[in-house]
Amino acid sequence: GQSLEQPSEVTAVEGAIVQINCTYQTSGFYGLSWYQQHDGGAPTFLSYNGLDGLEETGRFSSFLSRSDSYGYLLLQELQMKDSASYFCAVSRTGGYQKVTFGIGTKLQVIP
Amino acid sequence: DAGVTQSPTHLIKTRGQQVTLRCSPKSGHDTVSWYQQALGQGPQFIFQYYEEEERQRGNFPDRFSGHQFPNYSSELNVNALLLGDSALYLCATQGGLRSGANVLTFGAGSRLTVL
Repeated sequence: GQSLEQPSEVTAVEGAIVQINCTYQTSGFYGLSWYQQHDGGAPTFLSYNGLDGLEETGRFSSFLSRSDSYGYLLLQELQMKDSASYFCAVSRTGGYQKVTFGIGTKLQVIP
Repeated sequence: DAGVTQSPTHLIKTRGQQVTLRCSPKSGHDTVSWYQQALGQGPQFIFQYYEEEERQRGNFPDRFSGHQFPNYSSELNVNALLLGDSALYLCATQGGLRSGANVLTFGAGSRLTVL
């Protein structure tokens, strides 16, 4: 089977840095993605890691260690609008990839 | 360029009824996946369609069925509705393997309430 673990809630101060960790167990691992979802909205793609290392996109960075089955999303210079749920998601090999999501981490940014 | 569009946005049904949800993919996307998201949970994979065929399926009963049309749009059908089917149903589309297949583009969802 598959499993993903991430913290359920994180609170951070505006302007600070926050790291959201994700550990996974799955066969046929292909890559790790991160999605953001505001309350009442749809998930939107943030970042994808297919190889070990760090991917940077503006204020957001994502890291993957395939050997440790671990990844994280790093949000810098937090803004109030970053308050949302963040999901890690694994893609598996085998043709057209099935993407499996974690339960999500609810990030609250406070002044 | 329109993104993924879903209809209806909200609907209310009673137990035992049937519902059909619709999805039009983003331009250039040919693969459609459906997800169920209960309140406070992550999206759960229902199934995926490509070339009008169901390619993969999650752990959902046969009451959940789907269809993909030649224009890549898709429908999700749920029969014999249960209270537990109340959720946000999300459609996510992807391009071909050569064009950002690792990125899911989601629609705004159809919120189903079963009474």
